[in-house]
Amino acid sequence: DIQMTQSPSFLSASVGDRVTITCRASQGISDYLAWYQQKPGKAPEPLIYAASTLQSGVPSRFSGSGSGTEFTLTISSLQPEDSATYYCQQLNSYRATFGGGTKVEIK
Amino acid sequence: EVQLVESGGGLVQPGGSLRLSCAASGFALNSYDMNWVRQAPGKGLEWVSYISSSGTMIYYGDSVKGRFTISRDSAKNSLYLQMNSLRAEDTAVYYCARGGSWNYGYWGQGALVTVSS
Repeated sequence: DIQMTQSPSFLSASVGDRVTITCRASQGISDYLAWYQQKPGKAPEPLIYAASTLQSGVPSRFSGSGSGTEFTLTISSLQPEDSATYYCQQLNSYRATFGGGTKVEIK
Repeated sequence: EVQLVESGGGLVQPGGSLRLSCAASGFALNSYDMNWVRQAPGKGLEWVSYISSSGTMIYYGDSVKGRFTISRDSAKNSLYLQMNSLRAEDTAVYYCARGGSWNYGYWGQGALVTVSS
């Protein structure tokens, strides 16, 4: 199976900060990469698919980039409601694996 | 409106069995790829199983292969996960999710499965 490695696993930032989360695949996955946001007690919600395409309704402060084995999720100006855990997922294979998650805390 | 509603979770002893259901509404289940994803308490997401829209392709994660079976009933528009030989490490919230190549666009609210004596 393709392994997905996210970093950092935790970050603390202030409102208005620019935040970047990295996701690395153990082999090339083209742009078959999705990002999700999960808040406590809730199901994950899709943010981005195809590495850089914003899901409908997702605020434009979220953006994704990358191809091959290295990807990033960027929040351009962190808001209080962005406090959550973020996961990347590869869908190059139907055995679609997730990264370990990044918990984002608001200072 | 697309909705996915899981049911069938609960407490089961190690070695026991449980069947989860996922009732779909707002779309035809047999027109989409479907998945089961689980999340152990305080842990990350783990993909469990996939079934293609045609039903001809089925995959399982290594941790559940040989013990879990994914299936669906088009007449009831429902997805199932039959879980046998359950272990403590199978304790998790189980989500059904719609999606295949690009992302899992819709998720259920989850069903808690607790394996304990």
